[in-house]
Amino acid sequence: DAKTTQPPSMDCAEGRAANLPCNHSTISGNEYVYWYRQIHSQGPQYIIHGLKNNETNEMASLIITEDRKSSTLILPHATLRDTAVYYCIVRVAGRLFGTGTSLTVIP
Amino acid sequence: NAGVMQNPRHLVRRRGQEARLRCSPMKGHSHVYWYRQLPEEGLKFMVYLQKENIIDESGMPKERFSAEFPKEGPSILRIQQVVRGDSAAYFCASSPLPSAGGLDTQYFGPGTRLTVL
Repeated sequence: DAKTTQPPSMDCAEGRAANLPCNHSTISGNEYVYWYRQIHSQGPQYIIHGLKNNETNEMASLIITEDRKSSTLILPHATLRDTAVYYCIVRVAGRLFGTGTSLTVIP
Repeated sequence: NAGVMQNPRHLVRRRGQEARLRCSPMKGHSHVYWYRQLPEEGLKFMVYLQKENIIDESGMPKERFSAEFPKEGPSILRIQQVVRGDSAAYFCASSPLPSAGGLDTQYFGPGTRLTVL
């Protein structure tokens, strides 16, 4: 399985867009990129996934580079409730989640 | 449609006792995954099961830990002769049958917090 690299922590002002980067340079051609988040020791929550094209849902947008070696999760208007650890994962199927990015939304 | 359910939510055991953690997947989901999260650490995969089959147990400790997903009833993660190092949050996730390309979004339960005294 491809590994991912994320910054350990980020801050974002409330109401601004939060852009969370992820590198996955060893991703295979048929592997999806998934994003989950974990709010303060709750069960992880699915956010979004994508293969090649950019994706958007009610929670976030996912921008995947053309070479698929990196992606960015965008929370368009961050709120205090978006403070969480965000995990970027390639090929979920029961694999190590890693340590993710701890996002703190600041009032 | 109820989400993934786990019970108990909190479990306290003394060293040497057995811990049984239960997970009921979402309706229609036939795949169950167990993860462990030690304090201040990320999630770590333990085991992946389908009904009556263990698909991948590469993350499971070789001793004292076992998991099952019977034809009827919840999935059970069993820890025998618990030690203090087993204290952690144990999360269960379920997914429907994965489609081609590995599209297998997982839905997580609230977790069971195990404390070993």
